[in-house]
Amino acid sequence: DAKTTQPPSMDCAEGRAANLPCNHSTISGNEYVYWYRQIHSQGPQYIIHGLKNNETNEMASLIITEDRKSSTLILPHATLRDTAVYYCIEKTSGSRLTFGEGTQLTVNP
Amino acid sequence: EAGVAQSPRYKIIEKRQSVAFWCNPISGHATLYWYQQILGQGPKLLIQFQNNGVVDDSQLPKDRFSAERLKGVDSTLKIQPAKLEDSAVYLCASSFRDRGTNEKLFFGSGTQLSVL
Repeated sequence: DAKTTQPPSMDCAEGRAANLPCNHSTISGNEYVYWYRQIHSQGPQYIIHGLKNNETNEMASLIITEDRKSSTLILPHATLRDTAVYYCIEKTSGSRLTFGEGTQLTVNP
Repeated sequence: EAGVAQSPRYKIIEKRQSVAFWCNPISGHATLYWYQQILGQGPKLLIQFQNNGVVDDSQLPKDRFSAERLKGVDSTLKIQPAKLEDSAVYLCASSFRDRGTNEKLFFGSGTQLSVL
């Protein structure tokens, strides 16, 4: 079962940064934080993952708190195409990817 | 690069009928997954293959669901007989890395099954 907690929904204005929070207060030392998103009628898409350091790629930035109990996914300049369900997942190397219910992000024009 | 291919895109059947879904993973990806996604929920793993061997089928309802990955490439998932509660989107995913390392999964668009 998913062990992360995310808000069910969030709104963001187009062109602004979208900051999606995730709580994972029981995360263990060998568990990574993964983020996927699912646009309507499509399969999930990998965004980013990290262990304890902040990470950035062409899609997003991942900020993990020092105690690793929470993280924030940042989409720096949200567009309408970023409207999707965003999943935050704890995962050890080799364990199954277990999805919760995620956060429905709606980017408004 | 071509993505994960799935067919059919939609399927409507009556309860107690049989149905099969097909998946072609990304070329060179050793690991293949089947997920079930019920409306309003996140995807749930049904079965994971490493090449043509099963590494995790603990959440597969084996009395009615079966899957195979002959020759370690394409895979089929079958439901026989279908129940109303099997109505869902069936997603196939593949990844390059072996189990035991951090891997990035690539998903297909899924097959939407409606059981009437």
